Amino acid sequence: AQSVTQPDIHITVSEGASLELRCNYSYGATPYLFWYVQSPGQGLQLLLKYFSGDTLVQGIKGFEAEFKRSQSSFNLRKPSVHWSDAAEYFCAGSFGNEKLTFGTGTRLTIIP
Amino acid sequence: DAGITQSPRHKVTETGTPVTLRCHQTENHRYMYWYRQDPGHGLRLIHYSYGVKDTDKGEVSDGYSVSRSKTEDFLLTLESATSSQTSVYFCAISERLRNTEAFFGQGTRLTVV
Repeated sequence: AQSVTQPDIHITVSEGASLELRCNYSYGATPYLFWYVQSPGQGLQLLLKYFSGDTLVQGIKGFEAEFKRSQSSFNLRKPSVHWSDAAEYFCAGSFGNEKLTFGTGTRLTIIP
Repeated sequence: DAGITQSPRHKVTETGTPVTLRCHQTENHRYMYWYRQDPGHGLRLIHYSYGVKDTDKGEVSDGYSVSRSKTEDFLLTLESATSSQTSVYFCAISERLRNTEAFFGQGTRLTVV
């Protein structure tokens, strides 16, 4: 069955450091992939999406993600995090005839 | 931000009582969804709707029912709330059912005591 896996439950990084959040998927073809961010007490906001074409996609708030077919991955990156980036991040995929499937999320903590 | 309003935002209810959560959208999107969010499980789909009076089950539909009498409103009902239904509930909308992003409401925190 198709699935999305976020291997890291919790990540802590220092303010100003670079960030990479991992996302892997299981599917025999190329899925539609998404990253969402959830600030405390808020709903999910779409950061970026990949449908096809250029494998490096830019999103809002300075985030980018790279689709790597060979690794079945869609990792989220930011070169320099800000304290306001502390949140929970969800990777999601749409596989063929299926609706959105979400990973279990990665909680990001920023330390000064 | 997509025009999605959930009400109430917070609710405490007793075991065995009925509870209805409301989702209202102003985007005229055809598809509407109810998810629950629990630690370690991410978001799980409860029910979704593909049009007025057209609904279908998601992966965790037991104990829940839904109704959609107007394009803009999607109601989630817990007929007899249980403690296992304590969760944060999110409504979402999308233009298509597949291969498209969804937009989310702010969530409703429900506590069943």
